[in-house]
Amino acid sequence: DAGVTQSPTHLIKTRGQQVTLRCSPISGHKSVSWYQQVLGQGPQFIFQYYEKEERGRGNFPDRFSARQFPNYSSELNVNALLLGDSALYLCASSWTPVQEGGYTFGSGTRLTVV
Amino acid sequence: DAKTTQPPSMDCAEGRAANLPCNHSTISGNEYVYWYRQIHSQGPQYIIHGLKNNETNEMASLIITEDRKSSTLILPHATLRDTAVYYCILRGGSEKLVFGKGMKLTVNP
Repeated sequence: DAGVTQSPTHLIKTRGQQVTLRCSPISGHKSVSWYQQVLGQGPQFIFQYYEKEERGRGNFPDRFSARQFPNYSSELNVNALLLGDSALYLCASSWTPVQEGGYTFGSGTRLTVV
Repeated sequence: DAKTTQPPSMDCAEGRAANLPCNHSTISGNEYVYWYRQIHSQGPQYIIHGLKNNETNEMASLIITEDRKSSTLILPHATLRDTAVYYCILRGGSEKLVFGKGMKLTVNP
């Protein structure tokens, strides 16, 4: 079975540009969460979506936005990129937003802003 | 902020049991203890979780003290592939996971 799929795996952007990251959850999972992990730190929660509705938002500026599509895939958009946005962006999927079992994470998208 | 405390690093010999400690003295009654690990350049991997009883699955065992203020993740026979950063996380009814810096486990041959 396919796990959580994220694309692209790596990309390089210039300050001020915009970027879109994509995530396909495990088949049947309806909830998708996004996390940012800067070097040397643990992942930080950005958003969670369930049934195309935003269920939670972390402490990130409005430059960060996301959406979920009818097939439950999701996109994370970051506008006006800053050097500090360089990080590994992780997507996690689950059946429900607050399920007792663990979330399944993808391998992430490594974003470098120059 | 993370509500758990873990040592920054730990070494273990291959084939031996690895006992990974976690302190969570301010745990609330509805909070579960979750463990994830992250192997270099990969996403976090769920290992196990528990509320107050000890739990065991094919990957590990979780021992939670009676007062629930600390727990231990046990990898019974550590292998080189268990080298990773291990995160101990408390989670109640929230949709989000709050990760700390975790603990780097190095399994040595």
